[in-house]
Amino acid sequence: DTEVTQTPKHLVMGMTNKKSLKCEQHMGHRAMYWYKQKAKKPPELMFVYSYEKLSINESVPSRFSPECPNSSLLNLHLHALQPEDSALYLCASSQETLNTEAFFGQGTRLTVV
Amino acid sequence: QQQVKQSPQSLIVQKGGISIINCAYENTAFDYFPWYQQFPGKGPALLIAIRPDVSEKKEGRFTISFNKSAKQFSLHIMDSQPGDSATYFCAASRREYGNKLVFGAGTILRVKS
Repeated sequence: DTEVTQTPKHLVMGMTNKKSLKCEQHMGHRAMYWYKQKAKKPPELMFVYSYEKLSINESVPSRFSPECPNSSLLNLHLHALQPEDSALYLCASSQETLNTEAFFGQGTRLTVV
Repeated sequence: QQQVKQSPQSLIVQKGGISIINCAYENTAFDYFPWYQQFPGKGPALLIAIRPDVSEKKEGRFTISFNKSAKQFSLHIMDSQPGDSATYFCAASRREYGNKLVFGAGTILRVKS
């Protein structure tokens, strides 16, 4: 089973709202990732968690706040977003960060109004 | 140095034909090269991957060719089918930077029946 599950599938939020994206995997992977994908563009890395600790933050604005409550779960807390933050947010996981296969979820389509 | 250049931007192939997508990189520290397939509204799915100590890898109809000296790698899809119509991304990562995937710009493949 190589499934990474993301919820919700779609989200519309106002610029003053607070919302969270959730990601779950049960493959025993110890590395989890958040990527952002704009329309007709490739995914771009936002955050990397390794063994539940944040190891990479790609200079992402503080209105995006990641959290890794345990080895199976990854959240992305959203606050005071801008319309240009509208995108497909992808979660991925891999066995660890040392060049192993990364499996992506289906993504959350976020629209900021 | 972090870029991966992918070509062509789009490709139309007849059913049963061979689809070829090329990628080039500059950073010789990259040591893992996967290919992802993405359908509209879905997350990227890992197709096949290669490491630089191997010049070719085949899985079913999909083959990666890797030329370390030229810093190029390519995806060949044999006997292309309409169901292969999707966007294909090459990517590269390096061991000491947390399995961060650097993606090419993507190739939109359409297989005509």
